[in-house]
Amino acid sequence: DSGVTQTPKHLITATGQRVTLRCSPRSGDLSVYWYQQSLDQGLQFLIQYYNGEERAKGNILERFSAQQFPDLHSELNLSSLELGDSALYFCASSVERWEAGALQYNEQFFGPGTRLTVL
Amino acid sequence: GQNIDQPTEMTATEGAIVQINCTYQTSGFNGLFWYQQHAGEAPTFLSYNVLDGLEEKGRFSSFLSRSKGYSYLLLKELQMKDSASYLCAVRDYGATNKLIFGTGTLLAVQP
Repeated sequence: DSGVTQTPKHLITATGQRVTLRCSPRSGDLSVYWYQQSLDQGLQFLIQYYNGEERAKGNILERFSAQQFPDLHSELNLSSLELGDSALYFCASSVERWEAGALQYNEQFFGPGTRLTVL
Repeated sequence: GQNIDQPTEMTATEGAIVQINCTYQTSGFNGLFWYQQHAGEAPTFLSYNVLDGLEEKGRFSSFLSRSKGYSYLLLKELQMKDSASYLCAVRDYGATNKLIFGTGTLLAVQP
């Protein structure tokens, strides 16, 4: 158990719908990352939040958005869903440690994922 | 652009040694990670290299050559439970720890 929780575990919905995926990071971690993993592709970085602010963005579609709340949990919103959005969505969390002005490596801990099926 | 290449599948025998290679061409580089992922489960951290050379951790070792854009993961004394996907990921440069992943290598360990 990584300490990162994600809900729901499974989600089945129809094309055109909107869903919200939720992630709670490990206690003390300020950074949350969202990744998408579909069958024909590896893990794709979507977006990162740090202490409520967007920190980095990957190839996230305009139909997708995310936010991080004051209690540090994060939500990923997917709208106008298409068949191709069916995938495993993982969130990960990490602490951030800076030394001499440089961001140090910190391991990312992954949640169990949400499997989204769009029919 | 970002390009991380790994073999798609590998097969090895229980008790043997297997080496999984990863080559990368990325716009930024600030370290290379290896993760293990069993089917349908979350990736779990195996190793991290930021300097050239070999890092050993029990049955697992990881090597990095930054000049060649090359890394490998070495698994010794293979066990059936090592059957999984092994993901190579590059840590992007800058004020973020975001990871750029390869497509992963599916390792099947046979008796």
